[in-house]
Amino acid sequence: TQLLEQSPQFLSIQEGENLTVYCNSSSVFSSLQWYRQEPGEGPVLLVTVVTGGEVKKLKRLTFQFGDARKDSSLHITAAQPGDTGLYLCAGDSSNYGGSQGNLIFGKGTKLSVKP
Amino acid sequence: DTAVSQTPKYLVTQMGNDKSIKCEQNLGHDTMYWYKQDSKKFLKIMFSYNNKELIINETVPNRFSPKSPDKAHLNLHINSLELGDSAVYFCASSETGTGSYEQYFGPGTRLTVT
Repeated sequence: TQLLEQSPQFLSIQEGENLTVYCNSSSVFSSLQWYRQEPGEGPVLLVTVVTGGEVKKLKRLTFQFGDARKDSSLHITAAQPGDTGLYLCAGDSSNYGGSQGNLIFGKGTKLSVKP
Repeated sequence: DTAVSQTPKYLVTQMGNDKSIKCEQNLGHDTMYWYKQDSKKFLKIMFSYNNKELIINETVPNRFSPKSPDKAHLNLHINSLELGDSAVYFCASSETGTGSYEQYFGPGTRLTVT
């Protein structure tokens, strides 16, 4: 069974601090996606990383895909209250024995940024 | 314009009842999904349909039956509801041609079984 382990599960920080969320697996993924979910809403796609070692930036958010395509990280610089939410990573294993479109989701990191 | 819509937003019902949740997407995507998110926020895929054909059918009780009348709609019917079915159900869609199956989620349906 393919699993994506996300850590930490909960994170409560002050505005202006930096943080990193990790997503790890023993399985290889064709691509990895990061989503953010706010209370009462569905997850919203932030970014997709495809190439091993790839780094993508979205304003204060930096996403990295591991060289072996088994892990990823999300780094937020100078966090703001608007960053509060549930961050989910999801791996696509369709080229490595997984079903087409069957994304494997991590259990999420609940981030709270206090003003 | 809402990309992926679900109805109803909230559904409160008693054990043993049968209920349906509807989903529509106007993105022109060819694949639609149903996910269940439990109280611990774990998101798990239940079904996916590609052009009205069932592609993914995870280990879900057969009380759950998806139906796709066309590629823009995917409904979920649940028979004989149980307490453990209480969760938030999300519909999502994606376009196969992109190769990365990026999901566009609906707002969710919070099902409470009493």
